[in-house]
Amino acid sequence: AQSVSQHNHHVILSEAASLELGCNYSYGGTVNLFWYVQYPGQHLQLLLKYFSGDPLVKGIKGFEAEFIKSKFSFNLRKPSVQWSDTAEYFCAAAGLDMRFGAGTRLTVKP
Amino acid sequence: DADVTQTPRNRITKTGKRIMLECSQTKGHDRMYWYRQDPGLGLRLIYYSFDVKDINKGEISDGYSVSRQAQAKFSLSLESAIPNQTALYFCATSDEDRGNGYTFGSGTRLTVV
Repeated sequence: AQSVSQHNHHVILSEAASLELGCNYSYGGTVNLFWYVQYPGQHLQLLLKYFSGDPLVKGIKGFEAEFIKSKFSFNLRKPSVQWSDTAEYFCAAAGLDMRFGAGTRLTVKP
Repeated sequence: DADVTQTPRNRITKTGKRIMLECSQTKGHDRMYWYRQDPGLGLRLIYYSFDVKDINKGEISDGYSVSRQAQAKFSLSLESAIPNQTALYFCATSDEDRGNGYTFGSGTRLTVV
């Protein structure tokens, strides 16, 4: 069955710390991968996506993610987080439809 | 105007009542989706539609039905609402190749009492 799992439920960091959020997927066939961000009270917005090519993809606001096919992983990274990055982050994988992970809540302390 | 509009934004309804959540889009996308979001569970797919004549069940379709009235409109109905359907509901659209991911509406917060 298609599924997406995110390793961390809640991550708390101080400003300027580095971030890595884990994501693993289980899909048969070709899959497209996404990271979305949801700021408090808002809808989901696309951070970045991977379809093919360079496995290291760069998105908005300094985020990047690396696709590692052998590990079925698509981890999200940011070298230095800001207070404004406080939000919930969702990994998603799309085959015929799109399935989401349970989300990781990120709290950045000023 | 928003690309994907959901109405109502908030709704409180009683157990057993029928309720419809509406979604309309100006993106011109053929594909539309309904998800529910619950704390700790992320978004789960209820139904999706690839065009007006194509409706498909998602992960958790029981207790829900949908209607694709036009390319731009996709409604979700709860025939007889129950408390565990209390959730945040999102409508989304995409183009055929999902090149830009999904575009989400602002959500409908539904409470069933």
